[in-house]
Amino acid sequence: DQQVKQNSPSLSVQEGRISILNCDYTNSMFDYFLWYKKYPAEGPTFLISISSIKDKNEDGRFTVFLNKSAKHLSLHIVPSQPGDSAVYFCAARKFWGNTGKLIFGQGTTLQVKP
Amino acid sequence: SQTIHQWPATLVQPVGSPLSLECTVEGTSNPNLYWYRQAAGRGLQLLFYSVGIGQISSEVPQNLSASRPQDRQFILSSKKLLLSDSGFYLCAWKGQGAETQYFGPGTRLLVL
Repeated sequence: DQQVKQNSPSLSVQEGRISILNCDYTNSMFDYFLWYKKYPAEGPTFLISISSIKDKNEDGRFTVFLNKSAKHLSLHIVPSQPGDSAVYFCAARKFWGNTGKLIFGQGTTLQVKP
Repeated sequence: SQTIHQWPATLVQPVGSPLSLECTVEGTSNPNLYWYRQAAGRGLQLLFYSVGIGQISSEVPQNLSASRPQDRQFILSSKKLLLSDSGFYLCAWKGQGAETQYFGPGTRLLVL
């Protein structure tokens, strides 16, 4: 049972354009969502997050949007840069007290072409 | 600042051999600690988590075990490796009351 889904395995965009990465979830008990970026053979690095009480969070070139009614979140990168080429994972937390357990999507590989 | 270390970075082991991967965190106390595995072309699967010394919760039945002998040390072990244990193993930590997990550099394990 895949509770967090990233249905696009890959995305290719031109440098300077907008990259939009999507993530869908099924469990309405998720209360916090995060995006991570991962380069090959490295650990994921935290990018941006959003609480379920918000619908938008922005940090520089990165903006995350949350649509709770659709159980959908998206990460916008504007403008896209070649260094953004990586695998992007969305993750969701169901509030289990202090455990902080996250459920990850399968990842989307972003390629930004110069 | 906090840092997380994992070693070794790469490991090639024969089937049936034992395994010990170590993770340590610096610059924080009483963190939550997590072990994940990323199989080739797949997402991150949570294997174990710990909210304190000696407290281990297992997420999936498997050939692996975890231990937390010290506050900032998390060990992933196996008595006999299987081919299916190959993958990229990631350790992560989270501060008490915090929302975000931070990952280590990972260990690539190849079982032959």
